[in-house]
Amino acid sequence: DGGITQSPKYLFRKEGQNVTLSCEQNLNHDAMYWYRQDPGQGLRLIYYSQIVNDFQKGDIAEGYSVSREKKESFPLTVTSAQKNPTAFYLCASSTLSSEAFFGQGTRLTVV
Amino acid sequence: KNQVEQSPQSLIILEGKNCTLQCNYTVSPFSNLRWYKQDTGRGPVSLTIMTFSENTKSNGRYTATLDADTKQSSLHITASQLSDSASYICVVRGQGGSYIPTFGRGTSLIVHP
Repeated sequence: DGGITQSPKYLFRKEGQNVTLSCEQNLNHDAMYWYRQDPGQGLRLIYYSQIVNDFQKGDIAEGYSVSREKKESFPLTVTSAQKNPTAFYLCASSTLSSEAFFGQGTRLTVV
Repeated sequence: KNQVEQSPQSLIILEGKNCTLQCNYTVSPFSNLRWYKQDTGRGPVSLTIMTFSENTKSNGRYTATLDADTKQSSLHITASQLSDSASYICVVRGQGGSYIPTFGRGTSLIVHP
């Protein structure tokens, strides 16, 4: 089936740890995005990538890093520099003009 | 700066009633506007898309309108069902360099039996 897959669905991080969230798509989309959603809040853009080996910071990139080595994959690393990482993370992909298709999200909790 | 404002922030209605959600935007130049439905703990799913030349578009019990002159859109839900309880997000896309979609904060709709 065509789609976008995020894993894991739930992730727990200890203080000071880096964790990586996976996002894979087989829709042949050029653009991929990472968003953060806090309770009762809208989606905020962390990073986006238009093509392989290129990505741009969004509105809240501090404490996060990404890579785009393959068209299908856009992993997000939440580093220890992100002081409040507990949130719901959504990955999306699109062509430059089509709708964005979203994964089912990863809920990250700091323990 | 491109912005999308939605109202109301939250809404509670009884099953079977109608409701209308609002979206105002400042994205320019405008390409398209989408309404997404997001169930709790899930990713958003597209309901409708509106382009510049379209005024009204329906998808079952959902009807979206667009006034490109005033930069306003609405989503009307008819004969609400319990499964309509969700967050409804307005997303506007610009042309060219502003292709990154701009998200509204969403309207949280609760439908009570």
